[in-house]
Amino acid sequence: QKEVEQNSGPLSVPEGAIASLNCTYSDRGSQSFFWYRQYSGKSPELIMFIYSNGDKEDGRFTAQLNKASQYVSLLIRDSQPSDSATYLCAVGALSNFGNEKLTFGTGTRLTIIP
Amino acid sequence: NAGVMQNPRHLVRRRGQEARLRCSPMKGHSHVYWYRQLPEEGLKFMVYLQKENIIDESGMPKERFSAEFPKEGPSILRIQQVVRGDSAAYFCASSPGAAYQETQYFGPGTRLLVL
Repeated sequence: QKEVEQNSGPLSVPEGAIASLNCTYSDRGSQSFFWYRQYSGKSPELIMFIYSNGDKEDGRFTAQLNKASQYVSLLIRDSQPSDSATYLCAVGALSNFGNEKLTFGTGTRLTIIP
Repeated sequence: NAGVMQNPRHLVRRRGQEARLRCSPMKGHSHVYWYRQLPEEGLKFMVYLQKENIIDESGMPKERFSAEFPKEGPSILRIQQVVRGDSAAYFCASSPGAAYQETQYFGPGTRLLVL
């Protein structure tokens, strides 16, 4: 069973601070890693993707990947109340049918406290 | 520039009825994925389709569920003889390709409630 694990939270962070979201995965064959944001009652929205070990920055967001440790994280700097949402980690691996198949974690609920 | 479209957005069915969910991918995308999200749970992959072909249905329940993506028109996820456990949000995603590192873009979802 290929799994993606996230701390369900809730994670509460003061406005302006750094929010750190973590994700571990079990399939060493995984090649693609995505972070989606999902507001309550809405659809997932892609925040970032990362394919190589190291850090990838996009505005206030930084994704970090360590394939040896099977660990991927998302940092949100200068947290804003609008960042309050559930963050889904998704891991992609090649399926038996030749397509990339995403496995999602259950999500971490983040609350930014004004 | 329309994104992924799904309809209906909300669907109420009584036990034993059929539910039919539709998905139109983004323009230029020919790969469609269906996911189910139960309350307080993550997204679970159900099926991956290309035009006129089911490629990977490893996440589909063995009975009552079927999917298609005809040459013309939207992709359809069909649930026959619905039960209360089918109540969930069903999301469709599309991508321009299916190889590694092709981002999947999600539609707004259909929220199915079975009474």
